[in-house]
Amino acid sequence: DGGITQSPKYLFRKEGQNVTLSCEQNLNHDAMYWYRQDPGQGLRLIYYSQIVNDFQKGDIAEGYSVSREKKESFPLTVTSAQKNPTAFYLCASSTRPWDGSGNTIYFGEGSWLTVV
Amino acid sequence: QQPVQSPQAVILREGEDAVINCSSSKALYSVHWYRQKHGEAPIFLMILLKGGEQKGHDKISASFNEKKQQSSLYLTASQLSYSGTYFCGTVLQRGYQKVTFGTGTKLQVIP
Repeated sequence: DGGITQSPKYLFRKEGQNVTLSCEQNLNHDAMYWYRQDPGQGLRLIYYSQIVNDFQKGDIAEGYSVSREKKESFPLTVTSAQKNPTAFYLCASSTRPWDGSGNTIYFGEGSWLTVV
Repeated sequence: QQPVQSPQAVILREGEDAVINCSSSKALYSVHWYRQKHGEAPIFLMILLKGGEQKGHDKISASFNEKKQQSSLYLTASQLSYSGTYFCGTVLQRGYQKVTFGTGTKLQVIP
């Protein structure tokens, strides 16, 4: 079945370490996204990519990095520069609807990151 | 800039109705609505486009007031399964991929 796969589901990180969250989609979508979710703050955009080898910063990109070498993959690295990384991370993808039908976003199941 | 949702939380008894609002300070091209259960992925409900019609699915519908940059989600005759957190997401321009989500409205339906 088509969908978005995030891994790992749960991850513990020691302070000062970089960690990478994986996101793979087989929906043939052009655009991919990373959102961070904290209690009471909704979904905040970290990075998004509209096409392979291109990505843009979202609203809270500091301390994070991404790559988009393949259409189906959009990994997120949480660096040691991110001061408060404990959160629920959601990867998502969407089509590029030039016909004006709107870009419905499909989400993965999420990854819980905890700093210990 | 994040759209503002209201109310932040609401408790309903089964069968009651609710309205969730989403407001933006900028002109919008489209508004998305999603529902999320705790610890799960948000699920798409509907999308409203500028110049488009009011959407509806079963007993959940939504409207989009382009002049006011506001959207409202209407839940009619609520069911227990409607419980969750509802998010609106906004897009500023046609073909623009950045979707900015609101802070969410937590809805609890009780028997």
